[in-house]
Amino acid sequence: DAGITQSPRHKVTETGTPVTLRCHQTENHRYMYWYRQDPGHGLRLIHYSYGVKDTDKGEVSDGYSVSRSKTEDFLLTLESATSSQTSVYFCAISDLDNSNQPQHFGDGTRLSIL
Amino acid sequence: QQQVKQSPQSLIVQKGGISIINCAYENTAFDYFPWYQQFPGKGPALLIAIRPDVSEKKEGRFTISFNKSAKQFSLHIMDSQPGDSATYFCAATDNRKLIWGLGTSLAVNP
Repeated sequence: DAGITQSPRHKVTETGTPVTLRCHQTENHRYMYWYRQDPGHGLRLIHYSYGVKDTDKGEVSDGYSVSRSKTEDFLLTLESATSSQTSVYFCAISDLDNSNQPQHFGDGTRLSIL
Repeated sequence: QQQVKQSPQSLIVQKGGISIINCAYENTAFDYFPWYQQFPGKGPALLIAIRPDVSEKKEGRFTISFNKSAKQFSLHIMDSQPGDSATYFCAATDNRKLIWGLGTSLAVNP
């Protein structure tokens, strides 16, 4: 299995609080991704990174920000959490500049916002 | 608008049977078509993938059939086993980003 660690694995918090999820990889892969998974919507891309300090928006980026100060770490921040952001969040990594490289996923963070 | 349409939403198959999941796409720029398998509490894991210049790819009991002219591709699981019970996602690559189908929940009865 690809060396991907997501933390925390579970979190319950209240509306309006800031939340940061961490993705740590030991594979030295260039690309890192944050997805959310919701019933009826499949996996949706929030943000992705193509190198240190290089990030771009996905299809559902509103309300989320990311940072990547080191190759191995990709942080997802909810500045002011809302109940609509209750979801399972997955981090993925990918190697090389070839679109045919598969993405490898972590085991997710289950986030509940009350 | 769903760029990758997956069907059926759920599927029940008897042990030893063939499971078939279908996907259709519109964007002819897609250049890589992976299938992922996901068990409860786990992240999706790559199962098998195909490029559009190939019509079929087989890995063990898993086969992808690809029809470029119809813009369709399918996953066949031969001799389905209870351990294959999971959610399966098709996807397509667009400029290093994956576009996902909505998933198929497969249950294989013993």
